[in-house]
Amino acid sequence: GAVVSQHPSRVICKSGTSVKIECRSLDFQATTMFWYRQFPKQSLMLMATSNEGSKATYEQGVEKDKFLINHASLTLSTLTVTSAHPEDSSFYICSARGSGTGTMNTEAFFGQGTRLTVV
Amino acid sequence: GESVGLHLPTLSVQEGDNSIINCAYSNSASDYFIWYKQESGKGPQFIIDIRSNMDKRQGQRVTVLLNKTVKHLSLQIAATQPGDSAVYFCAESMDTGRRALTFGSGTRLQVQP
Repeated sequence: GAVVSQHPSRVICKSGTSVKIECRSLDFQATTMFWYRQFPKQSLMLMATSNEGSKATYEQGVEKDKFLINHASLTLSTLTVTSAHPEDSSFYICSARGSGTGTMNTEAFFGQGTRLTVV
Repeated sequence: GESVGLHLPTLSVQEGDNSIINCAYSNSASDYFIWYKQESGKGPQFIIDIRSNMDKRQGQRVTVLLNKTVKHLSLQIAATQPGDSAVYFCAESMDTGRRALTFGSGTRLQVQP
């Protein structure tokens, strides 16, 4: 299956600083990428959807100025958590969907996730 | 808003038994459903999917059943193994999967040796 690589897997940052998380599709072109947040023992909640070359579409309640999403190429999307606070500590997961035919066009492949801890 | 939910938060089974994990969804417009397995500290792993024009689909040791009448989805795992222990999520989407996924609340499967 297709591979989505997310980096870093873990990051600890000080309150007030910014953190960038990368999501790369390694063997396919990802026309659409999704960013999710998952708190402990909870489900994945969609934060935003980004299409290559376009501005991201954010879900209600997600601050676009705080969670900056860039999807400048077909293989890379980044999520930057700006001015991070302890309540931003969470597990952030990206998924990518390709533009080909068959399952590649509909199945979303997930990254390994990034554990963000803000101290 | 619309949501996808599960009946049981934790399911404990004996190794070798069959497991059934259930999911109720409420968005009647959903036409694509997926089951994911998530191990601790990892991203979701695709297990099996099904489109709304089907009511059953089988994979290796897994079967997904879809009942659109009562908006119910289930995952059956045959001969459950310790390696199956994880949290399982159902997810739904519209436009045959081209829209973002909405995840259910998850069921933890514990396999007793």
